[in-house]
Amino acid sequence: DQQVKQNSPSLSVQEGRISILNCDYTNSMFDYFLWYKKYPAEGPTFLISISSIKDKNEDGRFTVFLNKSAKHLSLHIVPSQPGDSAVYFCAASRTYSGAGSYQLTFGKGTKLSVIP
Amino acid sequence: DGGITQSPKYLFRKEGQNVTLSCEQNLNHDAMYWYRQDPGQGLRLIYYSQIVNDFQKGDIAEGYSVSREKKESFPLTVTSAQKNPTAFYLCASRKERGNQPQHFGDGTRLSIL
Repeated sequence: DQQVKQNSPSLSVQEGRISILNCDYTNSMFDYFLWYKKYPAEGPTFLISISSIKDKNEDGRFTVFLNKSAKHLSLHIVPSQPGDSAVYFCAASRTYSGAGSYQLTFGKGTKLSVIP
Repeated sequence: DGGITQSPKYLFRKEGQNVTLSCEQNLNHDAMYWYRQDPGQGLRLIYYSQIVNDFQKGDIAEGYSVSREKKESFPLTVTSAQKNPTAFYLCASRKERGNQPQHFGDGTRLSIL
């Protein structure tokens, strides 16, 4: 049972335009969400996160939106640059004390290609 | 520079052999994690440790073992019991206070000869 889903395996966007990557989750206990960027043969790099008490978080060109009622989050990249071409993973966790706290559940990733 | 170091980058194993993947961090993070990534898949948790001398199984622990004798180190052994060990293995660590992201090493690619 996939608790975090990224339904688009790939996305192509023109340089300078907006990239929108989507992620859905099923576990209502998740309350902390993250986006990671990954290049081939490298480890994922943390991009941006959002807590469930917020519905938006911005960091430079990256904005994450959270819609708790729809159990949906999205990552917006504006403007998109060729260096943004990578696989983007959505991850979710629930914050509580004790064993297993803050474990991340990952989606399968979306490969973003930014075309010059 | 602080970070997470995984070694080696590439590793080959013969059938029936155990092999150990190294993960060292100098970030003073309390929690450490091992994930496996297969083509077209997300990361799946193998084992994690929130404190020295303690570790817990993740979703796919069968055929793997770990130890956490030092805060900085969390080696993963892929045993001969792991039937499909060929994968990209990623180690991560995290400061164990509040909502903090996990930070990853650059991974080890394990292949069976």
